[in-house]
Amino acid sequence: SQKIEQNSEALNIQEGKTATLTCNYTNYSPAYLQWYRQDPGRGPVFLLLIRENEKEKRKERLKVTFDTTLKQSLFHITASQPADSATYLCALPFSGGYNKLIFGAGTRLAVHP
Amino acid sequence: GAGVSQSPSNKVTEKGKDVELRCDPISGHTALYWYRQRLGQGLEFLIYFQGNSAPDKSGLPSDRFSAERTGESVSTLTIQRTQQEDSAVYLCASIWRATDTQYFGPGTRLTVL
Repeated sequence: SQKIEQNSEALNIQEGKTATLTCNYTNYSPAYLQWYRQDPGRGPVFLLLIRENEKEKRKERLKVTFDTTLKQSLFHITASQPADSATYLCALPFSGGYNKLIFGAGTRLAVHP
Repeated sequence: GAGVSQSPSNKVTEKGKDVELRCDPISGHTALYWYRQRLGQGLEFLIYFQGNSAPDKSGLPSDRFSAERTGESVSTLTIQRTQQEDSAVYLCASIWRATDTQYFGPGTRLTVL
């Protein structure tokens, strides 16, 4: 069955550094992968989508890579700020089709001043 | 409205009672999802509605859970005879047919005593 793995341990980094979060998946070849941000007590907010034929996607300080051979996506936040502190979720479309997403458990990022 | 709304934001109930959670999707969005998120865990798919098609109920954990949606509007998730393990945040998301982005509501925090 499809499985998504994200680091369960929180990532603590210093302000200004680059944060890198990992999403690994197995038993699957998704057509795309999404990253969401979730703040405490709020619903997830969409950040980026990367398709299987794209190696890299950027949006402001965010960069996502998608390696279909390694079955891995990396999510980078450059010049990190305390306001970037949140839980980041990756999500893949269900192999059965349509737009049903399977979410990872998320990695909590804490950026310290 | 401007976004997905859910009500109530918080619900405390006694074990064995029935509860009804409401989701108002973004106007024009044809698909709607319900997820459950237990504390510190990822999103668990519950049910998916797409237009007038039969809903995908494959994620409902037991027959105590049911959901309805009228056309492309409001959806209600009903949990009968609530149990303590039903305590979680219940999130609703809607999606526009042509995109792959899910827009989430703020969630309903359900506590079963």
